[in-house]
Amino acid sequence: SQKIEQNSEALNIQEGKTATLTCNYTNYSPAYLQWYRQDPGRGPVFLLLIRENEKEKRKERLKVTFDTTLKQSLFHITASQPADSATYLCALDMMDSSYKLIFGSGTRLLVRP
Amino acid sequence: ETGVTQSPTHLIKTRGQQVTLRCSSQSGHNTVSWYQQALGQGPQFIFQYYREEENGRGNFPPRFSGLQFPNYSSELNVNALELDDSALYLCASSLALAGGESTDTQYFGPGTRLTVL
Repeated sequence: SQKIEQNSEALNIQEGKTATLTCNYTNYSPAYLQWYRQDPGRGPVFLLLIRENEKEKRKERLKVTFDTTLKQSLFHITASQPADSATYLCALDMMDSSYKLIFGSGTRLLVRP
Repeated sequence: ETGVTQSPTHLIKTRGQQVTLRCSSQSGHNTVSWYQQALGQGPQFIFQYYREEENGRGNFPPRFSGLQFPNYSSELNVNALELDDSALYLCASSLALAGGESTDTQYFGPGTRLTVL
């Protein structure tokens, strides 16, 4: 069956450390993989997109890697801040006829001051 | 802010009732997608509209229906509400080019929190 897995347990780290979140998938062949941030009661906010032929993408303190052989993406936040505390969702973009996103259930990140 | 607005913010209905949720897309976007997000879960794709036509549907029953208007705003209608329909309903707008190829990024609204009693 097709699955997207993100760590269900919250990730609790100290301010200034690097947070690393994992997204694993099975039985999908996504064209793109996207990461979103979601705060409680709010809609997801787009952060980064990485294509299947890209290994790594960076934006300020954020870095995403995409390994289509392992079927895994890693999302890193360097020099984490309490304001980075949120739920982070990965989403597969199948680039089929409807361009729908298939989301994981998200990982909650807590950054302690 | 993404420029995508949704109304109402919150809504309480009872089982068997019908509900209409509204979404105004970001300026310049011609595609709208609707998602249902249950508590503690990721958003689940309901359907997508492109140029006023349904352009893909997820695993939701026919009592979930939608419309897209010429100004690209959209409605989600749910008939015969069930308790499990309680969720955050999100719309997301994006730009699909003339050939139907999306520009990839979807911009989400703040959502409508629906509670079914």
